[in-house]
Order: sequence, then structure tokens, then C-alpha cells
Amino acid sequence: QSVLTQPPSASGTPGQRVTISCSGSSSNIGSNTVNWYQQLPGAAPKLLIYSNNQRPSGVPDRFSGSKSGTSASLAISGLQSEDEADYYCAAWDDSLNGLFGGGTKLTVL
Amino acid sequence: EVQLVESGGGLVQPGGSLRLSCATSGFTFSSYAMSWVRQAPGKGLEWVSGISGSGGTTYYADSVKGRFTISRDNSKNTLYLQMNSLRAEDTAVYYCAKGKGNMVRGVTFDYWGQGNLVSVSS
Repeated sequence: QSVLTQPPSASGTPGQRVTISCSGSSSNIGSNTVNWYQQLPGAAPKLLIYSNNQRPSGVPDRFSGSKSGTSASLAISGLQSEDEADYYCAAWDDSLNGLFGGGTKLTVL
Repeated sequence: EVQLVESGGGLVQPGGSLRLSCATSGFTFSSYAMSWVRQAPGKGLEWVSGISGSGGTTYYADSVKGRFTISRDNSKNTLYLQMNSLRAEDTAVYYCAKGKGNMVRGVTFDYWGQGNLVSVSS
């Protein structure tokens, strides 16, 4: 069981807005920044959001991140079929470990 | 163009050893922290180990501490992971990942390798 807790699944229809949550504690999300990764089937993960809410160049502004206290969220607006993937949150923990959430499988209906 | 190419994976018996390599190009290798992240079949991502740009600072997940050693050769732009006392639960695809900066205490990886499968089985 992951220290960072994500819902195992999420879904939406094209055009909808979907949010994925990530819950941690004071030693990880509460004191360090959060990143989000997208992993398409059969591919390596891709950095989607870093430092809570920053998008790397090339990532559409449909993707946004936020953090409050010991929780973080990834929002995807204008959902598209190509957004169907696994999404992982990640944060450093003050116990000197890197952490990933268990992952959320997003289905576009 | 940044490239990370892993090699060295394969099938190994429990208790055996394996060394993974990650050859890099397209960036100033010594200026960036690097990490290894693994993914067991059908499972999520697990951070394994990280190393600073100079190689002087390393961190390990509790699950591999004392068995795995991360290192780098900045003259060869190559990252390594020496894996000893391998267990069935170490079976996974191992990714090398480039830190977005030189902060080894972080999980911000802007480039990833293609992954290399390590199978531990008798």
C-alpha cells in the first residue's frame, strides 16, 4: 500500500473535467512539492506537472495541478480520448525516500 | 536531444546479482541528479534510488537498502545500479530517470529511459 493515496480509477466523457486526488502526510506532501506523471500503455512515464502546479513545455494547459496542506490534485479539462492513461502523483518524503502514489487509471468513456 | 538508454537486464536466479547501466547523451550529465525507478508487472511506480550530480550523495528505498548500489561515471555519462541478493519481489521494469535539476532529494524527473526488464526466478 502506497504512502501517497490515490483513487485506483477515474472516468469521464470527452470534453468533461476530471480531477484525481493524492493524499499524503506532513512529512511528504505537507513539506515538499508534488509532481504528476502520465503513463500511456506500454510507455515510460512522462512528467506532466512539477512543483505542484507547473507545466513542462509541451504539456497542454488542459492539465493543471494544485496542492493544499497534505493533499494535491490533478485536473484535466476538455477530456480527450488520448488522455486515457495511468496517472501518478509523486513527492519526496523527509525520511529521505522518494514516493509515488499507487496510480489512477483514467478511462475516457 | 536527451537520450537515456538502459541495458543489463535479464533473468537471474534468487540470490544472484545484476548490474544495470544507463547511457545518456544530449545534456551535461554531471550537472543533474539521476535516479532509478521500477515498476513490477501490472503494478505502480516505485522509486528505488537517487544520486547527486557529483555522485557524492545517494539515497535508497528501504526495500533495497544494503542490497543495491547506485553509482555514476561522469566521464562516460553513464548511470549504474548494482543489484545484489536479488529476490523475486525485485522483478520489475527498471527505468533510469534524469532529475530536472541537481536536487537529489526530489522526484522530479523530466526524462526517462525506455525501461529494462529484470526477472528474478529459479
